[in-house]
Amino acid sequence: DAGVIQSPRHEVTEMGQEVTLRCKPISGHNSLFWYRQTMMRGLELLIYFNNNVPIDDSGMPEDRFSAKMPNASFSTLKIQPSEPRDSAVYFCASSMTGGAQPQHFGDGTRLSIL
Amino acid sequence: TQLLEQSPQFLSIQEGENLTVYCNSSSVFSSLQWYRQEPGEGPVLLVTVVTGGEVKKLKRLTFQFGDARKDSSLHITAAQPGDTGLYLCAGEPGGSYIPTFGRGTSLIVHP
Repeated sequence: DAGVIQSPRHEVTEMGQEVTLRCKPISGHNSLFWYRQTMMRGLELLIYFNNNVPIDDSGMPEDRFSAKMPNASFSTLKIQPSEPRDSAVYFCASSMTGGAQPQHFGDGTRLSIL
Repeated sequence: TQLLEQSPQFLSIQEGENLTVYCNSSSVFSSLQWYRQEPGEGPVLLVTVVTGGEVKKLKRLTFQFGDARKDSSLHITAAQPGDTGLYLCAGEPGGSYIPTFGRGTSLIVHP
């Protein structure tokens, strides 16, 4: 049973470049979450989709960040233009909707903006 | 301000010692979850506690949910190096489906 798949695992790019992170959730899960993890701030929720619809994007830092979920099996998180302070590990997680449903995380994308 | 406060932030102990980590909030949670995260990987669910006062055991790990459903603890007996990792608590306050995570307790168990 495949888990949540994220790509790329690592990304190093120069500031100002566009960065696209990808996520394939677990089949049958209808909730998808994007998180950012840093030492300073811990794990922060960026955006939450339910049935492919963005429900809460209050955690998205600013307009440079955007996320899409065109279908139930794929989501992207895009940063344009990227800045050094965007360097972090970005996680995607999926779950069934409903209380006490566990989230299944991918292994993350380690992003470094030079 | 963190909705879920975890303590201690860091813990470094010797193999065989016991330890307890805490997850506290001023808000009521319908459930709380504990995850463990190892370097280079995403968090993995350990347990979900749902009922106030509930105690769940997972081998050497004991999880407790406070009676008022505002706090939880994780006790590890006879810690082993394989227990090393970041322990995160998470929950959905007030029936919301939006999860919130604590900052975590980073545990190192030395052989």
